[in-house]
Amino acid sequence: NAGVMQNPRHLVRRRGQEARLRCSPMKGHSHVYWYRQLPEEGLKFMVYLQKENIIDESGMPKERFSAEFPKEGPSILRIQQVVRGDSAAYFCASSLLGGSSYNEQFFGPGTRLTVL
Amino acid sequence: GQQVMQIPQYQHVQEGEDFTTYCNSSTTLSNIQWYKQRPGGHPVFLIQLVKSGEVKKQKRLTFQFGEAKKNSSLHITATQTTDVGTYFCAGRGSQGNLIFGKGTKLSVKP
Repeated sequence: NAGVMQNPRHLVRRRGQEARLRCSPMKGHSHVYWYRQLPEEGLKFMVYLQKENIIDESGMPKERFSAEFPKEGPSILRIQQVVRGDSAAYFCASSLLGGSSYNEQFFGPGTRLTVL
Repeated sequence: GQQVMQIPQYQHVQEGEDFTTYCNSSTTLSNIQWYKQRPGGHPVFLIQLVKSGEVKKQKRLTFQFGEAKKNSSLHITATQTTDVGTYFCAGRGSQGNLIFGKGTKLSVKP
Protein backbone atom coordinates (compact mmCIF):
# COMPACT_ATOMS: atom_id res chain seq x y z
CA ASN A 1 0.00 0.00 0.00
CA ALA A 2 2.29 2.71 -1.25
CA GLY A 3 1.45 6.21 -0.15
CA VAL A 4 1.78 9.34 -2.20
CA MET A 5 5.15 9.41 -3.90
CA GLN A 6 7.03 12.47 -4.98
CA ASN A 7 10.30 12.78 -6.80
CA PRO A 8 12.82 14.07 -6.69
CA ARG A 9 12.94 14.68 -2.94
CA HIS A 10 15.51 17.42 -3.42
CA LEU A 11 16.08 19.47 -6.54
CA VAL A 12 18.69 22.15 -7.15
CA ARG A 13 18.36 24.46 -10.11
CA ARG A 14 20.10 27.59 -11.30
CA ARG A 15 18.13 30.69 -12.10
CA GLY A 16 16.52 30.41 -15.52
CA GLN A 17 16.40 26.62 -15.60
CA GLU A 18 13.27 24.50 -15.56
CA ALA A 19 12.08 22.43 -12.60
CA ARG A 20 9.86 19.37 -13.02
CA LEU A 21 8.27 17.89 -9.94
CA ARG A 22 6.45 14.57 -10.08
CA CYS A 23 3.71 13.16 -7.94
CA SER A 24 2.17 9.70 -8.00
CA PRO A 25 -1.05 9.64 -5.98
CA MET A 26 -2.14 6.81 -3.74
CA LYS A 27 -3.55 3.83 -5.58
CA GLY A 28 -7.14 4.47 -6.53
CA HIS A 29 -6.97 8.20 -5.93
CA SER A 30 -7.84 10.41 -8.87
CA HIS A 31 -7.72 13.80 -7.13
CA VAL A 32 -4.35 15.53 -6.81
CA TYR A 33 -3.48 18.81 -5.12
CA TRP A 34 -0.24 20.78 -5.15
CA TYR A 35 0.83 23.04 -2.30
CA ARG A 36 3.86 25.26 -1.73
CA GLN A 37 5.40 25.79 1.68
CA LEU A 38 7.98 28.43 2.47
CA PRO A 39 10.15 27.99 5.59
CA GLU A 40 8.18 28.67 8.78
CA GLU A 41 5.03 29.23 6.71
CA GLY A 42 1.82 27.36 6.14
CA LEU A 43 0.86 25.46 3.03
CA LYS A 44 -0.38 27.55 0.17
CA PHE A 45 -2.74 25.88 -2.26
CA MET A 46 -1.61 26.02 -5.87
CA VAL A 47 -3.67 23.73 -8.06
CA TYR A 48 -6.23 20.92 -7.91
CA LEU A 49 -6.37 18.36 -10.69
CA GLN A 50 -8.34 15.31 -11.60
CA LYS A 51 -7.27 12.93 -14.31
CA GLU A 52 -6.69 15.02 -17.46
CA ASN A 53 -8.49 18.02 -15.98
CA ILE A 54 -7.51 21.10 -14.03
CA ILE A 55 -10.30 21.73 -11.53
CA ASP A 56 -8.93 24.79 -9.74
CA GLU A 57 -5.69 26.62 -10.48
CA SER A 58 -6.53 29.79 -8.58
CA GLY A 59 -3.45 29.49 -6.38
CA MET A 60 -0.94 29.04 -9.14
CA PRO A 61 1.02 31.99 -10.58
CA LYS A 62 -0.15 32.79 -14.10
CA GLU A 63 3.33 32.81 -15.55
CA ARG A 64 6.04 30.15 -15.55
CA PHE A 65 3.97 27.60 -13.59
CA SER A 66 1.93 24.80 -15.11
CA ALA A 67 0.52 21.50 -13.92
CA GLU A 68 -0.89 18.41 -15.52
CA PHE A 69 -2.28 15.06 -14.51
CA PRO A 70 -2.35 12.85 -17.59
CA LYS A 71 -4.44 9.75 -18.05
CA GLU A 72 -1.36 7.63 -17.53
CA GLY A 73 1.57 8.52 -15.33
CA PRO A 74 2.22 10.93 -12.51
CA SER A 75 1.07 14.48 -12.05
CA ILE A 76 3.71 17.01 -13.04
CA LEU A 77 4.25 20.50 -11.65
CA ARG A 78 6.47 22.43 -14.02
CA ILE A 79 8.23 25.67 -13.20
CA GLN A 80 9.94 27.40 -16.09
CA GLN A 81 12.76 29.91 -15.78
CA VAL A 82 13.04 29.45 -12.03
CA VAL A 83 13.93 32.39 -9.79
CA ARG A 84 15.29 32.40 -6.24
CA GLY A 85 11.82 33.12 -4.88
CA ASP A 86 10.66 29.73 -6.17
CA SER A 87 12.81 28.00 -3.54
CA ALA A 88 10.38 26.16 -1.29
CA ALA A 89 9.00 22.76 -0.41
CA TYR A 90 6.35 21.61 -2.84
CA PHE A 91 3.90 19.07 -1.49
CA CYS A 92 1.52 16.95 -3.44
CA ALA A 93 -1.57 15.42 -1.85
CA SER A 94 -4.16 13.03 -3.15
CA SER A 95 -7.65 12.10 -2.10
CA LEU A 96 -10.10 9.38 -2.98
CA LEU A 97 -12.98 11.80 -3.28
CA GLY A 98 -13.03 15.45 -4.13
CA GLY A 99 -15.34 18.38 -4.48
CA SER A 100 -18.00 18.52 -1.82
CA SER A 101 -17.29 15.03 -0.53
CA TYR A 102 -15.30 14.11 2.53
CA ASN A 103 -11.79 14.31 1.18
CA GLU A 104 -9.05 13.49 3.62
CA GLN A 105 -5.87 14.36 1.84
CA PHE A 106 -2.78 12.20 1.98
CA PHE A 107 0.44 14.09 1.53
CA GLY A 108 3.62 13.01 -0.16
CA PRO A 109 7.06 13.64 1.38
CA GLY A 110 7.52 16.79 -0.69
CA THR A 111 10.15 18.07 -3.10
CA ARG A 112 12.50 20.65 -1.69
CA LEU A 113 13.49 22.98 -4.50
CA THR A 114 16.54 25.18 -4.13
CA VAL A 115 17.26 27.81 -6.74
CA LEU A 116 20.84 29.05 -6.80
CA GLY B 1 -11.10 35.45 -0.60
CA GLN B 2 -11.55 32.89 2.13
CA GLN B 3 -8.94 33.08 4.86
CA VAL B 4 -8.07 30.80 7.74
CA MET B 5 -6.17 32.27 10.65
CA GLN B 6 -4.42 30.43 13.44
CA ILE B 7 -3.05 31.55 16.77
CA PRO B 8 -0.61 31.43 18.36
CA GLN B 9 2.11 31.12 15.76
CA TYR B 10 4.49 29.53 18.26
CA GLN B 11 3.98 27.84 21.59
CA HIS B 12 6.70 26.61 23.93
CA VAL B 13 5.58 24.40 26.79
CA GLN B 14 7.12 22.28 29.48
CA GLU B 15 6.45 18.59 29.11
CA GLY B 16 3.25 17.79 30.96
CA GLU B 17 1.65 21.18 30.37
CA ASP B 18 -1.43 21.59 28.23
CA PHE B 19 -1.47 23.21 24.79
CA THR B 20 -4.23 24.81 22.72
CA THR B 21 -4.25 26.21 19.20
CA TYR B 22 -7.13 28.23 17.76
CA CYS B 23 -8.37 28.52 14.23
CA ASN B 24 -10.70 31.17 12.80
CA SER B 25 -12.21 31.46 9.38
CA SER B 26 -13.46 34.57 7.63
CA THR B 27 -16.40 32.54 6.29
CA THR B 28 -18.58 29.70 7.51
CA LEU B 29 -16.93 26.35 6.92
CA SER B 30 -18.64 23.19 5.74
CA ASN B 31 -16.00 21.24 7.61
CA ILE B 32 -12.57 21.69 9.09
CA GLN B 33 -9.58 19.39 9.04
CA TRP B 34 -6.53 19.28 11.29
CA TYR B 35 -3.07 18.16 10.23
CA LYS B 36 0.23 17.69 12.03
CA GLN B 37 3.61 18.22 10.43
CA ARG B 38 6.71 17.02 12.22
CA PRO B 39 9.94 18.97 11.65
CA GLY B 40 11.25 18.10 8.20
CA GLY B 41 8.19 15.99 7.48
CA HIS B 42 4.96 16.27 5.60
CA PRO B 43 1.46 17.07 6.85
CA VAL B 44 -0.45 14.11 8.25
CA PHE B 45 -4.21 14.13 8.59
CA LEU B 46 -5.48 14.06 12.17
CA ILE B 47 -9.24 14.58 12.02
CA GLN B 48 -12.18 16.19 10.27
CA LEU B 49 -15.03 18.00 12.03
CA VAL B 50 -18.31 18.53 10.24
CA LYS B 51 -21.12 19.34 12.64
CA SER B 52 -21.73 22.58 14.46
CA GLY B 53 -20.47 22.30 18.05
CA GLU B 54 -18.83 18.95 17.35
CA VAL B 55 -16.22 17.67 19.80
CA LYS B 56 -13.95 14.75 19.02
CA LYS B 57 -11.23 13.16 21.10
CA GLN B 58 -8.16 11.18 20.16
CA LYS B 59 -6.38 10.09 23.32
CA ARG B 60 -4.90 13.33 24.70
CA LEU B 61 -6.12 15.46 21.78
CA THR B 62 -9.50 17.20 21.85
CA PHE B 63 -10.88 18.90 18.76
CA GLN B 64 -13.80 21.33 18.77
CA PHE B 65 -15.81 22.93 16.02
CA GLY B 66 -17.59 26.15 16.93
CA GLU B 67 -21.36 26.55 16.92
CA ALA B 68 -21.18 29.02 14.06
CA LYS B 69 -18.75 26.75 12.16
CA LYS B 70 -16.28 29.60 11.81
CA ASN B 71 -13.78 28.56 14.45
CA SER B 72 -12.11 25.47 15.81
CA SER B 73 -9.60 24.49 18.43
CA LEU B 74 -7.18 21.70 19.18
CA HIS B 75 -6.27 21.03 22.79
CA ILE B 76 -3.53 18.65 23.90
CA THR B 77 -3.54 17.52 27.52
CA ALA B 78 -0.26 16.80 29.26
CA THR B 79 2.03 17.33 26.31
CA GLN B 80 4.82 14.89 25.53
CA THR B 81 7.97 15.39 23.47
CA THR B 82 6.36 13.32 20.71
CA ASP B 83 3.77 16.09 20.29
CA VAL B 84 6.41 18.41 18.84
CA GLY B 85 5.53 19.73 15.40
CA THR B 86 3.35 22.23 13.62
CA TYR B 87 -0.41 21.86 13.81
CA PHE B 88 -2.45 23.17 10.91
CA CYS B 89 -6.14 23.66 10.54
CA ALA B 90 -7.63 23.72 7.06
CA GLY B 91 -10.97 24.77 5.70
CA ARG B 92 -12.30 23.47 2.44
CA GLY B 93 -12.41 25.81 -0.53
CA SER B 94 -15.27 25.93 -2.96
CA GLN B 95 -13.72 23.39 -5.33
CA GLY B 96 -12.52 20.90 -2.76
CA ASN B 97 -9.01 22.22 -2.20
CA LEU B 98 -7.86 22.96 1.34
CA ILE B 99 -7.12 26.44 2.65
CA PHE B 100 -4.57 26.10 5.41
CA GLY B 101 -3.90 28.33 8.36
CA LYS B 102 -0.27 29.27 8.94
CA GLY B 103 -0.02 26.72 11.71
CA THR B 104 1.03 26.70 15.34
CA LYS B 105 4.53 25.42 15.96
CA LEU B 106 4.69 23.52 19.23
CA SER B 107 7.93 22.87 21.05
CA VAL B 108 8.02 20.78 24.21
CA LYS B 109 10.80 21.07 26.73
CA PRO B 110 11.51 17.79 28.53
